[in-house]
Amino acid sequence: QQQVRQSPQSLTVWEGETAILNCSYEDSTFNYFPWYQQFPGEGPALLISISSVSDKKEDGRFTIFFNKREKKLSLHITDSQPGDSATYFCAARGASGSWQLIFGSGTQLTVMP
Amino acid sequence: DMKVTQMPRYLIKRMGENVLLECGQDMSHETMYWYRQDPGLGLQLIYISYDVDSNSEGDIPKGYRVSRKKREHFSLILDSAKTNQTSVYFCASSWQYEQYFGPGTRLTVL
Repeated sequence: QQQVRQSPQSLTVWEGETAILNCSYEDSTFNYFPWYQQFPGEGPALLISISSVSDKKEDGRFTIFFNKREKKLSLHITDSQPGDSATYFCAARGASGSWQLIFGSGTQLTVMP
Repeated sequence: DMKVTQMPRYLIKRMGENVLLECGQDMSHETMYWYRQDPGLGLQLIYISYDVDSNSEGDIPKGYRVSRKKREHFSLILDSAKTNQTSVYFCASSWQYEQYFGPGTRLTVL
């Protein structure tokens, strides 16, 4: 049972376009949602995160939009650059007190020059 | 500079051999993790450690065990490795919500 789902599995955009990566979850107790960026041969690294009390979080070209009612969130990458080509993981943390994160299966983004 | 290290980076073993993967962190984080990453499955939690000798099973602990005798070191042990344990293994440590990942160990079990 996959508690965090991501779509699409892979996405290709042209340089300068906006890439939209989607994430949905099932457990209404999840209250913290980080996005991790992973380049080939490296470990994931925290890119941006949002808590369930906010509906938007912006950091430069990266923005998270959060819809608590629909249990959905999305990562928008504006003015996409070839250097943004990576795999992006959405994750969620429950409110139970555990530090465990539940990861989605990832979206592989390719930005064509 | 906050860092999580993993050794070795690449490892090839035969089925039935024992495997030791090592992880270190220099941030004095209490909580550490072992994950495996397989194509299309994302990151699956094997074990979580809340401090020295305080370890808990994650979602897929079968076939693995861990050891944490010092806060900065966390080991993953595969006793009698199986071919389906071929994967990339990541160690992470965390400060509150943020997890810091190592570069990974690519393990192949033949």
